[in-house]
Amino acid sequence: NAGVTQTPKFQVLKTGQSMTLQCAQDMNHNSMYWYRQDPGMGLRLIYYSASEGTTDKGEVPNGYNVSRLNKREFSLRLESAAPSQTSVYFCASSQVDRGTEAFFGQGTRLTVV
Amino acid sequence: LAKTTQPISMDSYEGQEVNITCSHNNIATNDYITWYQQFPSQGPRFIIQGYKTKVTNEVASLFIPADRKSSTLSLPRVSLSDTAVYYCLVGDDYKLSFGAGTTVTVRA
Repeated sequence: NAGVTQTPKFQVLKTGQSMTLQCAQDMNHNSMYWYRQDPGMGLRLIYYSASEGTTDKGEVPNGYNVSRLNKREFSLRLESAAPSQTSVYFCASSQVDRGTEAFFGQGTRLTVV
Repeated sequence: LAKTTQPISMDSYEGQEVNITCSHNNIATNDYITWYQQFPSQGPRFIIQGYKTKVTNEVASLFIPADRKSSTLSLPRVSLSDTAVYYCLVGDDYKLSFGAGTTVTVRA
C-alpha cells in the first residue's frame, strides 16, 4: 500500500510562474486535504475536499486553487507563484466515518524565488 | 472549532516518561481528541485518538478527564528517536489547522 503519494518532492519556481502539485491516495478515503507548513510553524489548512466533487476553503486559501479529479486524486494549483508561498506542502486523506485518523504524504518542498 | 493550547517545548532524558497536556476548554460533544507526531522533513503521523477516559496503544496512552476540557498524552520510557513535534487536535474531522505543537527533545 503506497498510502498518500505527492509529486513532485521538490520544486523551485520563479515569481509569477504557475504549477500544480499532485496528490493521490489508494486507501479509498472520502476526504482529502492540502496543508502548508512554514518553518517552525504548525500545519495550516489551505483547502479540503470532504468527498468527490466537493471542495472548500480552509484557513489560508488565497493564491491557490484545487481540483478533486476523482476519489483518488486532489491537486493544488498555484496560478502565479509568490515568494510568500515558499513552504512545505502536505496532502492528507481520511475516512471520517471510521474516526479521524488522517494519513499524510511526504510533502512537497516548494521554493519561489 | 475547539482551540487547543499545549506547551511549546519539553525536555526529557532517555528512559523517562513524558506527559504532554493539551487544554481544549471549548470541546464539542462530537469532538475526538487526536495526537500526531512529526519528525523533521516528514508528514505528521497518527499516534492515538480518544473520546473519553483512557486509551492505550503500543506507542502511547491518552488520558481524558470526565469534563474533557483537557487531555494528556503519555509517552513511556522515551528514547532519542522520540524527539519530535507532537500535535493535539480536537474535532470530528480535519477541517482545521494544526497549532505549533509541542517540541519534545529527548537527551541521552
